Amino acid sequence: EADIYQTPRYLVIGTGKKITLECSQTMGHDKMYWYQQDPGMELHLIHYSYGVNSTEKGDLSSESTVSRIRTEHFPLTLESARPSHTSQYLCASSPQGTYGYTFGSGTRLTVV
Amino acid sequence: KQEVTQIPAALSVPEGENLVLNCSFTDSAIYNLQWFRQDPGKGLTSLLLIQSSQREQTSGRLNASLDKSSGRSTLYIAASQPGDSATYLCAWDLNNAGNMLTFGGGTRLMVKP
Repeated sequence: EADIYQTPRYLVIGTGKKITLECSQTMGHDKMYWYQQDPGMELHLIHYSYGVNSTEKGDLSSESTVSRIRTEHFPLTLESARPSHTSQYLCASSPQGTYGYTFGSGTRLTVV
Repeated sequence: KQEVTQIPAALSVPEGENLVLNCSFTDSAIYNLQWFRQDPGKGLTSLLLIQSSQREQTSGRLNASLDKSSGRSTLYIAASQPGDSATYLCAWDLNNAGNMLTFGGGTRLMVKP
């Protein structure tokens, strides 16, 4: 079944650690996105990609980085986690054209 | 900058009521409109997608309409159930070339048994 997967679902990590949040989709979508959402707050776009080897920063400044080496895979990396990075991170994808977006279940990150 | 406003911010209704959630925007040059549902601490589930050439979409008890001239979209939920309790988000796809979503702040819906 075509879908978008995020792992881990929950992560508690100490300050200063390097972490990678995984996002994979099986739909062959060219475009992928990372959104950040604090509890009870709006979603903000932090990174997006139009295809392989394409990455762009979104509206919200973020200390994270992304890569797009394969169409189906769009990982997000924090080189040195801080408590201010505590949030929910949502991955999404969309095909070319007017077909809408599909979101993953999210990764809830807590940095202590 | 495009602004997307959802009214009301929160809504509590008894089970069985029909209800309307509103979403308004300041720029009529939209590409797509999408309604999502978000349960607490979870990701987003797509409910309905209205393309710019369409006026409404229906799925089960849900109906979404789009009026570009007035800058509004509404989500109609018929015969509400406790399982409908969630936050409902509308999102505008404004960029014809890049497909970027701009989200409203959401409406938190509580349906009481």
